[in-house]
Amino acid sequence: IAGITQAPTSQILAAGRRMTLRCTQDMRHNAMYWYRQDLGLGLRLIHYSNTAGTTGKGEVPDGYSVSRANTDDFPLTLASAVPSQTSVYFCASSDSQDTDTQYFGPGTRLTVL
Amino acid sequence: GQNIDQPTEMTATEGAIVQINCTYQTSGFNGLFWYQQHAGEAPTFLSYNVLDGLEEKGRFSSFLSRSKGYSYLLLKELQMKDSASYLCAVMDSNYQLIWGAGTKLIIKP
Repeated sequence: IAGITQAPTSQILAAGRRMTLRCTQDMRHNAMYWYRQDLGLGLRLIHYSNTAGTTGKGEVPDGYSVSRANTDDFPLTLASAVPSQTSVYFCASSDSQDTDTQYFGPGTRLTVL
Repeated sequence: GQNIDQPTEMTATEGAIVQINCTYQTSGFNGLFWYQQHAGEAPTFLSYNVLDGLEEKGRFSSFLSRSKGYSYLLLKELQMKDSASYLCAVMDSNYQLIWGAGTKLIIKP
């Protein structure tokens, strides 16, 4: 692995179903982030983690949950998907929470019907 | 509220120069980032400014004026591969990035 990987690449999901988006980084970065990107809008932060064992809420956390059991993995779970969660989801990481550059994974395109 | 403004779309000619502007109003300032994003791909880091002035990196330069809440990205000697969206993002007082919607740059031969 080099950098950040995300899985799946894309997914079509029925409303009401539970879904976990996976994110793994091998850069030993302390901070990790989940964003969603919608047409005409800037990236919006869903949840973040400054270090393993801690998580925080971003701008649009409702309907999503995260965990950070170790440094490398930061999964995002939709407990009961709704059509408004149709979006492209990007995971990112940085060495620390402050002004360090964020590096992005390739994204997951999620469609909720 | 927090706000980042940049033009939705710009068109330029191969070999020319283009300037993409970004204005911001945020709660606190801990630096401004520019990212490039090709269609269907992830954003990739281009530049970071925290002090006023111009930062040059090859064909790309980025300028910041904190007093005016203003930045621009300057792309010289445009190539077809520069066709992409350019995202401006400001790190606020909570060290969270606030993102603009992006400027789609179209390069014509």
